[in-house]
Amino acid sequence: GAVVSQHPSWVICKSGTSVKIECRSLDFQATTMFWYRQFPKQSLMLMATSNEGSKATYEQGVEKDKFLINHASLTLSTLTVTSAHPEDSSFYICSADKTGSYEQYFGPGTRLTVT
Amino acid sequence: GESVGLHLPTLSVQEGDNSIINCAYSNSASDYFIWYKQESGKGPQFIIDIRSNMDKRQGQRVTVLLNKTVKHLSLQIAATQPGDSAVYFCAENILYNTDKLIFGTGTRLQVFP
Repeated sequence: GAVVSQHPSWVICKSGTSVKIECRSLDFQATTMFWYRQFPKQSLMLMATSNEGSKATYEQGVEKDKFLINHASLTLSTLTVTSAHPEDSSFYICSADKTGSYEQYFGPGTRLTVT
Repeated sequence: GESVGLHLPTLSVQEGDNSIINCAYSNSASDYFIWYKQESGKGPQFIIDIRSNMDKRQGQRVTVLLNKTVKHLSLQIAATQPGDSAVYFCAENILYNTDKLIFGTGTRLQVFP
């Protein structure tokens, strides 16, 4: 158990458009989900903490108006990259906290390429 | 601590040898540590964790050692196999204070025959 999925697994979009990435916990409920960004040959950098039913908490330096997060249910969080630019091209990974466990379960990631 | 490295350190080992991957963490208040394995194009995969009240924990072919005095964590992989080739990250957390994980820089493990 404890499977997290992401959709899409990869996406190519044009500069100026918006892209939505979904993160789902398939077999457990997650009050809290996290969104990370990873550039090539670098580590995971936490972007924001997504809390079900409330506003996301963004890390310093992450623009909340550019990276919109919605956590509408206990199994789904979405990240929307608005007005995407080539510098937003990256690997976006989500994770989910299983209620009652302190282990985070990671999704397979979404490769975003902005042309 | 926060990872801003542009070049992943690489550890090359021969198949069958033991591997030791090291990590320095930054926050002395961190009390929970996890090692993750990440294969190319995939999300991190949990390997083993350890709490700060322990200094050693063993799993299947893996051992994690924690030295709180010097804020150092290591992952030992016994009898390294080609399938172990990946990037390995340590992560730190303060339990019951925040759920946030802080990832280390990462080390690329290359296993050659």
